[in-house]
Amino acid sequence: SQKIEQNSEALNIQEGKTATLTCNYTNYSPAYLQWYRQDPGRGPVFLLLIRENEKEKRKERLKVTFDTTLKQSLFHITASQPADSATYLCALDGAGGFKTIFGAGTRLFVKA
Amino acid sequence: DGGITQSPKYLFRKEGQNVTLSCEQNLNHDAMYWYRQDPGQGLRLIYYSQIVNDFQKGDIAEGYSVSREKKESFPLTVTSAQKNPTAFYLCASRLRRERGTGELFFGEGSRLTVL
Repeated sequence: SQKIEQNSEALNIQEGKTATLTCNYTNYSPAYLQWYRQDPGRGPVFLLLIRENEKEKRKERLKVTFDTTLKQSLFHITASQPADSATYLCALDGAGGFKTIFGAGTRLFVKA
Repeated sequence: DGGITQSPKYLFRKEGQNVTLSCEQNLNHDAMYWYRQDPGQGLRLIYYSQIVNDFQKGDIAEGYSVSREKKESFPLTVTSAQKNPTAFYLCASRLRRERGTGELFFGEGSRLTVL
């Protein structure tokens, strides 16, 4: 069955460092991959989308890579700040384009 | 301001009762979705709708029902047949793939607790 795996353990880093989160998937050929941020008790907020024919996408301090051979995406936050502390969700869309499936998310804590 | 609104934010229900969660969007989006989120788990798809008067089951549709009579509205009913309904429910919407980027817009969620 289709499966998305994100680090279940929380990631703790120091302010100013680069946070790197991993998303691995199996039994799936996504047309594109998305990353969302979710704060406690709130709905997810879209951050970045990368298509299957793209290797890297950047937006301000955020960078996403997408390796369809490894079936993996890496999500980087450079110069991290305490305000970046949240849960980050990886999501995949197939070529059909109707269903988006989500990973369980990785909780990030950035210490001042 | 355009957005997606869910209500109520908190809801308590006795066992055996049906409850309906509201989801309204004024973004002129074609597709609407309902997800369920349990602690420590990802979002699981309950139902989705691409156009008015049409909807499809997601991965965990048993014990739930929906309707899509208007483009702006996609209410979810949690029936008494749902064995473990206590959860955080999220509604989302987006443009059809050929008209947009695929980005999902989420509401603020409804937290349902069965007493």
